[in-house]
Amino acid sequence: EAQVTQNPRYLITVTGKKLTVTCSQNMNHEYMSWYRQDPGLGLRQIYYSMNVEVTDKGDVPEGYKVSRKEKRNFPLILESPSPNQTSLYFCASSQQGSEDYGYTFGSGTRLTVV
Amino acid sequence: AQSVAQPEDQVNVAEGNPLTVKCTYSVSGNPYLFWYVQYPNRGLQFLLKYITGDNLVKGSYGFEAEFNKSQTSFHLKKPSALVSDSALYFCAVRDDSGTYKYIFGTGTRLKVLA
Repeated sequence: EAQVTQNPRYLITVTGKKLTVTCSQNMNHEYMSWYRQDPGLGLRQIYYSMNVEVTDKGDVPEGYKVSRKEKRNFPLILESPSPNQTSLYFCASSQQGSEDYGYTFGSGTRLTVV
Repeated sequence: AQSVAQPEDQVNVAEGNPLTVKCTYSVSGNPYLFWYVQYPNRGLQFLLKYITGDNLVKGSYGFEAEFNKSQTSFHLKKPSALVSDSALYFCAVRDDSGTYKYIFGTGTRLKVLA
């Protein structure tokens, strides 16, 4: 089944403790992206990657890092989480080109930073 | 700069009645337009897209959307609403500049009343 897999689904952590949210897709998509969803703000892009070793900042990159060493994986790293990073996070992938089929989203990671 | 507006936070409609969820956009080039649906505790699911061609686009679950270039709108519609259509709906836009950057609206909660 074609899918984007995020782990963990739920995470509670303390301020300053480094964490990684994993994302993996099995569709050989070139483009991957991380979003955070907050009430009243919709989805805001954190980082995106157009291919292996090619990443760029989205609209709200502060406090986050990403890497794209393999095509299928795009982990999101919070080096020193803070309470304002409490949010619902989504990883998504898509196949770019002349036909844009839109994103396939993961099921989300609900992060609470206390 | 690209932008998407969903002017209604919530839309209530009686089961069996037609529904419309509004979306307007602003892009510098030709728009690629999408609708996604989010059910509770789930990731976003692709509903339909407009890239080019007919202004009326048909998608999943009986939904359709009408592209109106002069009004820069892409409203989501369904002739007869079901209680199971109750969910959060997001409009998204990508321009044709080659950046593959998507902008999402803030979402509209659709409530279909039995």
